[in-house]
Amino acid sequence: AQSVSQHNHHVILSEAASLELGCNYSYGGTVNLFWYVQYPGQHLQLLLKYFSGDPLVKGIKGFEAEFIKSKFSFNLRKPSVQWSDTAEYFCAVRSNDYKLSFGAGTTVTVRA
Amino acid sequence: GAVVSQHPSWVICKSGTSVKIECRSLDFQATTMFWYRQFPKQSLMLMATSNEGSKATYEQGVEKDKFLINHASLTLSTLTVTSAHPEDSSFYICSARVPSGSGWYNEQFFGPGTRLTVL
Repeated sequence: AQSVSQHNHHVILSEAASLELGCNYSYGGTVNLFWYVQYPGQHLQLLLKYFSGDPLVKGIKGFEAEFIKSKFSFNLRKPSVQWSDTAEYFCAVRSNDYKLSFGAGTTVTVRA
Repeated sequence: GAVVSQHPSWVICKSGTSVKIECRSLDFQATTMFWYRQFPKQSLMLMATSNEGSKATYEQGVEKDKFLINHASLTLSTLTVTSAHPEDSSFYICSARVPSGSGWYNEQFFGPGTRLTVL
């Protein structure tokens, strides 16, 4: 069975600061990794995904993530956050039967 | 991206009653839909996989007789919480998997969720 661990429960930072959210996973099969964002009052949206190839993945809204196989990690980064990045961020791993397992989520609060 | 809707967006019911939640894929046909439950400040927990035309498969620990899932068409899956109790109060989210033939093949798109409060 797969599992996902997100290290930070709540991150507070100022606008223009850099953001990095940690994600570690465990899964014995082919790895499909995702980062989702949930803005207040809205549904989950896909930020980016990794299936294979270049381990540095670029997503929407200036986010990127790096897959490091040796560390079983898929950390999310953004060089300069905006107030509108305030949201809940979820890392997820997908198994071969398309089931998603989510991490506990990280609440990101960006202060203007 | 593809659009998934849920209805109702929130519902309040009395203990012992049943509540039906609908999940619809609006612009694509979904042979597979998933139902999740999210407690406050916690992650999404997969409850079951809903397959069109066949029985749903439930995750370990999820009572199939309590959470009835019906996937009668390629655009609609329903989750019925039977004999609801206060501990069933939660945020229920569905997702739909895009089938082959689309640029979003195998992606899952999420509905906005349904807030259930059982009094």
